[in-house]
Amino acid sequence: DGGITQSPKYLFRKEGQNVTLSCEQNLNHDAMYWYRQDPGQGLRLIYYSQIVNDFQKGDIAEGYSVSREKKESFPLTVTSAQKNPTAFYLCASSIQGPGAGAFFGQGTRLTVV
Amino acid sequence: AQSVTQLDSQVPVFEEAPVELRCNYSSSVSVYLFWYVQYPNQGLQLLLKYLSGSTLVKGINGFEAEFNKSQTSFHLRKPSVHISDTAEYFCAVSDLNDYKLSFGAGTTVTVRA
Repeated sequence: DGGITQSPKYLFRKEGQNVTLSCEQNLNHDAMYWYRQDPGQGLRLIYYSQIVNDFQKGDIAEGYSVSREKKESFPLTVTSAQKNPTAFYLCASSIQGPGAGAFFGQGTRLTVV
Repeated sequence: AQSVTQLDSQVPVFEEAPVELRCNYSSSVSVYLFWYVQYPNQGLQLLLKYLSGSTLVKGINGFEAEFNKSQTSFHLRKPSVHISDTAEYFCAVSDLNDYKLSFGAGTTVTVRA
C-alpha cells in the first residue's frame, strides 16, 4: 500500500537536544511538507520541498532544519534553538500542481522535558 | 496570501442529528478549498475538495460542502451524524498557482448518543 510513514509515533527528548523526525513516502510525490499542530491553532507550515535537493521555509521555520536528498524522504530536525518544541508534527506529500491537496502521515508527538 | 476562519471551535451534536461546520476564507485571488478530518492522535484525511464547477461538493462518509463565492464560504454539512464522526475537522485553502495549504484552527465535533 502506498502511503506516508512517520517515525517514531512518540518521542521524548531533554531540553537542549536536537532531534530528527523521520518521514518517508512511497507515493512517488514530488512535493513534501512539514506541519506543526498545536491545540486551537490548526496546522502551521514549517518547511516544504517541491523537488529533491530544494526546500523552502514556511511560516514558522525558525529552530527547524530539513533536508531532501531523496524523493522519498524529508526528515525534520528540531534544534535546540526552537523555543517551544513540544507539539504534534505532521508530514505530508502531494503531486506537483495546484488543487492536488495533500496526503498526511500519522504524525509524531514530540515532548521535550 | 490566504487565510481561513473556522467560526466554531467546538460543535456538540446528538447522534442522527444534522451538523454544519462553518468556514470562511479570505484571498485576493481565486482559490481551491478543502475539508480534512483528523481522528485522535492520527494524521489528516481528505474529506472533499472544491476545485471548480458545481458549487455543491460531495465527499466521503456522507459529508458535503457548498462553495459560496460571494460570501467567501465553504461550509461542511452532514444530514445525520454517527458516533464515529467524532473528530476534529479542518478547512484549508490554496491559491490557483500554488499547492501549499493554509489551514483554519479546526472545529472539534463531539457526537453524543
